[in-house]
Amino acid sequence: DAGVTQSPTHLIKTRGQQVTLRCSPKSGHDTVSWYQQALGQGPQFIFQYYEEEERQRGNFPDRFSGHQFPNYSSELNVNALLLGDSALYLCASSQGGGQPQHFGDGTRLSIL
Amino acid sequence: AQSVTQLDSQVPVFEEAPVELRCNYSSSVSVYLFWYVQYPNQGLQLLLKYLSGSTLVKGINGFEAEFNKSQTSFHLRKPSVHISDTAEYFCAVSVGTGANNLFFGTGTRLTVIP
Repeated sequence: DAGVTQSPTHLIKTRGQQVTLRCSPKSGHDTVSWYQQALGQGPQFIFQYYEEEERQRGNFPDRFSGHQFPNYSSELNVNALLLGDSALYLCASSQGGGQPQHFGDGTRLSIL
Repeated sequence: AQSVTQLDSQVPVFEEAPVELRCNYSSSVSVYLFWYVQYPNQGLQLLLKYLSGSTLVKGINGFEAEFNKSQTSFHLRKPSVHISDTAEYFCAVSVGTGANNLFFGTGTRLTVIP
């Protein structure tokens, strides 16, 4: 039973570029959440998708957007990259609300 | 608003000694509480969770935690640590039902010394 898978594992971009990160949830899970983990910090909630709609959003600018597909997989898009966007981006999935989230190994994004 | 405070950023402990990692939270509503562990270059793995019921929660790898509502705490404990327990530990809360976005603390680095 595959867990949460994320791609790519590492990515290097320059300021001003755009990036797309991908996530496949654990089998049987229908809810996907995205988190940003800066170096030495705890993860911070970006947004959550359920039934292809953004259900909740954290305190992140509109440069961060997402999408959920009918097969429950999800993408995180970040436009106009800033140096401060360098972080580990974690995807987590769960079955509905109120259930523990399962995390992937993340995508390490470095901005030069 | 919810917040989580992990009081110790680093905890060194000798192998086979007991350890306690402290976590306090603030919230005006009922919360669900979690502990996650993160090994280097990996995502987060769920150690244990408190959703309701008994305030003493047992998790994987011999860890346990106790929910104390009056002190708004959820400290993690293990009676005897192993080298393999060296990792970063995060306490997290989620609020209410049907909305499970997590608020994390800043983490505690547990280092087990041989």
